Amino acid sequence: EVQLLESGGDLVQPGGSLRLSCEASGFTFSSYCMTWVRQAPGKGLEWVSGISAGGGSTYYADSVKGRFTMSRDNSKNTLFLHMNSLRAEDTAIYYCAKGFDTSRYSFDCWGQGTLVTVSS
Amino acid sequence: EIVLTQSPATLSLSPGESATLSCRASQSVSNYLAWYQHKPGQAPRLLFYDASTTATGIPARFRGSGSGTDFTLTISSLEPEDFAVYYCQQRSSWPLTFGGGTKVEVK
Repeated sequence: EVQLLESGGDLVQPGGSLRLSCEASGFTFSSYCMTWVRQAPGKGLEWVSGISAGGGSTYYADSVKGRFTMSRDNSKNTLFLHMNSLRAEDTAIYYCAKGFDTSRYSFDCWGQGTLVTVSS
Repeated sequence: EIVLTQSPATLSLSPGESATLSCRASQSVSNYLAWYQHKPGQAPRLLFYDASTTATGIPARFRGSGSGTDFTLTISSLEPEDFAVYYCQQRSSWPLTFGGGTKVEVK
């Protein structure tokens, strides 16, 4: 069974940093592109970042470019999102999701999400 | 950035009725469009990818169609478990984008 388990969400002050993790199981992690998607309170889904299967290519929404860094460790089946210079508007549930194959960024499996709250 | 506009924002229907949801792209996305169902407290669920290809385990009452800039998600006869928010998402160009969502609620 394909499973994605996010962790690392927390309450952090504006300007602070946080690292989210997503542990994958049940599939060949290194063969699939991955993504992070967030949902702010009362809002819709917002794409945050994506990474290719090998990790060589990363992509970001303009709202997080320069502040967030996505990476993966294929030897540990784990995805990461390093978040710096956090703002109140980054408050959201963050989901990791599995791409359809190496480069098709439609997402057929999602984690349950981890909550990030940015507040003083 | 490709903007996806979903309409209507809210659809109030009764079980057994049919639902038609629209997703319009600001420029052509070919068929690189997916639909998701999202219920509160749950992970989003993929319904269709490449506009009309059904994801695993999706009931036959769901149908995805369209290409270019205009896409439709149809639910032929609403079951109680179908009341949720539905999102479209394009993968034609970076950044990926989602539509604002259509909430299908019980009338």
